[in-house]
Amino acid sequence: DTAVSQTPKYLVTQMGNDKSIKCEQNLGHDTMYWYKQDSKKFLKIMFSYNNKELIINETVPNRFSPKSPDKAHLNLHINSLELGDSAVYFCASSVNSGSNSYEQYFGPGTRLTVT
Amino acid sequence: AQSVTQPDIHITVSEGASLELRCNYSYGATPYLFWYVQSPGQGLQLLLKYFSGDTLVQGIKGFEAEFKRSQSSFNLRKPSVHWSDAAEYFCAVGNYGQNFVFGPGTRLSVLP
Repeated sequence: DTAVSQTPKYLVTQMGNDKSIKCEQNLGHDTMYWYKQDSKKFLKIMFSYNNKELIINETVPNRFSPKSPDKAHLNLHINSLELGDSAVYFCASSVNSGSNSYEQYFGPGTRLTVT
Repeated sequence: AQSVTQPDIHITVSEGASLELRCNYSYGATPYLFWYVQSPGQGLQLLLKYFSGDTLVQGIKGFEAEFKRSQSSFNLRKPSVHWSDAAEYFCAVGNYGQNFVFGPGTRLSVLP
């Protein structure tokens, strides 16, 4: 069973379009994250979210928005896509309450290419 | 501010040789420390973690890491590298209720 899954794995789209990436975790974790990995492999946190709080990295454009229909899902919506949005996007999850374990588990990534 | 440095962008070792990947961090409190590995086209897999206690921690795939508070370091080691270890390695620091900060990564190449 896949712990953290993302769809699609690859996404090619044109500038100006709106797209979504879906993430699901079956680990029972209470916190989920979105990361952006650029072409130099640098990982940057975009959002962290649990059922209480959304923390947004202040450098993330407001064209990006996370949406969580339930505790096991955190989808990423991107409006008006730009060339610079091309990257690999990773979803992750962790247990952040009442636990002495804090590691994050990552999905396989979604490679977004904006043309 | 929290930060993680990995001084080596790219390391090449021969198969069977020993390996040490360096990680230094800057953190205002007791950190939780992690090493992740990313194989080409894959997500990140946790190799090992340090929360407290014994400063030498064992991980998967024969890796270990040692936490040295005085040096603010958490170096990753493996006594004998296999060709399948070729990947990108990321050190990360965090704490309860706070986001991870990842280092820039070290790419490991393995010569046959």
